[in-house]
Amino acid sequence: GAVVSQHPSRVICKSGTSVKIECRSLDFQATTMFWYRQFPKKSLMLMATSNEGSKATYEQGVEKDKFLINHASLTLSTLTVTSAHPEDSSFYICSAKGGPSSTDTQYFGPGTRLTVL
Amino acid sequence: GENVEQHPSTLSVQEGDSAVIKCTYSDSASNYFPWYKQELGKGPQLIIDIRSNVGEKKDQRIAVTLNKTAKHFSLHITETQPEDSAVYFCAASYGQNFVFGPGTRLSVLP
Repeated sequence: GAVVSQHPSRVICKSGTSVKIECRSLDFQATTMFWYRQFPKKSLMLMATSNEGSKATYEQGVEKDKFLINHASLTLSTLTVTSAHPEDSSFYICSAKGGPSSTDTQYFGPGTRLTVL
Repeated sequence: GENVEQHPSTLSVQEGDSAVIKCTYSDSASNYFPWYKQELGKGPQLIIDIRSNVGEKKDQRIAVTLNKTAKHFSLHITETQPEDSAVYFCAASYGQNFVFGPGTRLSVLP
C-alpha cells in the first residue's frame, strides 16, 4: 500500500514552453500533497503544499505564477512549470500524505527529471 | 523554525559492519521523525519512522532511537549489505510539513 506515481519520469523541453507533471496516490486518498525540488547531491527543497480543493501554499522564494499547482482530487495533484528556462532544470518530486498506516507519513513519488534546453 | 542537522555527510563501511547516522533537531514541538532512503535517480523511500512518545523502534536490520530531551535521533543499520548503499535523509515534522536533514551518502564496500 501507499504507492505514489509520477508522470512523466523524464521530460526534455525547449526554453519558453510549459511542462505539466502529474502526481497520483494510487491506493489511498491523499489529504495533502507536497512538491519538492532537488538539486544534484542536495537535500529536498519544499516548493509548495497543496490540500485538495484549495489553493497551494508556496514556500518563500517560490514563484506561484511560474510553478502552478492544482490539487483537484484526493488522488491527483499537478505541477505546471510555465515558460520554462534552463535554470528550471531539476529533479521534481511529489509526496502524498494520508496513507493507510499513518496520517503523518509522506510517501514519495519516483520523481521527474526536467531538462530545459 | 525547525532546523535539522545530520552527520556524517558520507559514510563508508565494510559489508557486514554496522552503520549509524545521527540527526539533531531544534523545535521541541516536532513529534514525528521519519527516515528515508534514496537511490540514484529515484524518489525517497520511507524505511522507518518514530514518534516522540517512543524511544526506540526496530524493523529487522534497521533501528531508530530518539532522545527527546537532547533533541536527537539516530538510524542504526546492522549487518550492512551492498544494497544498503544509498543516500539517507532524516526528517522532523514541522506543522504539516517535514524539515529534512542534508543527507548521508552511505557506501557499503564488499
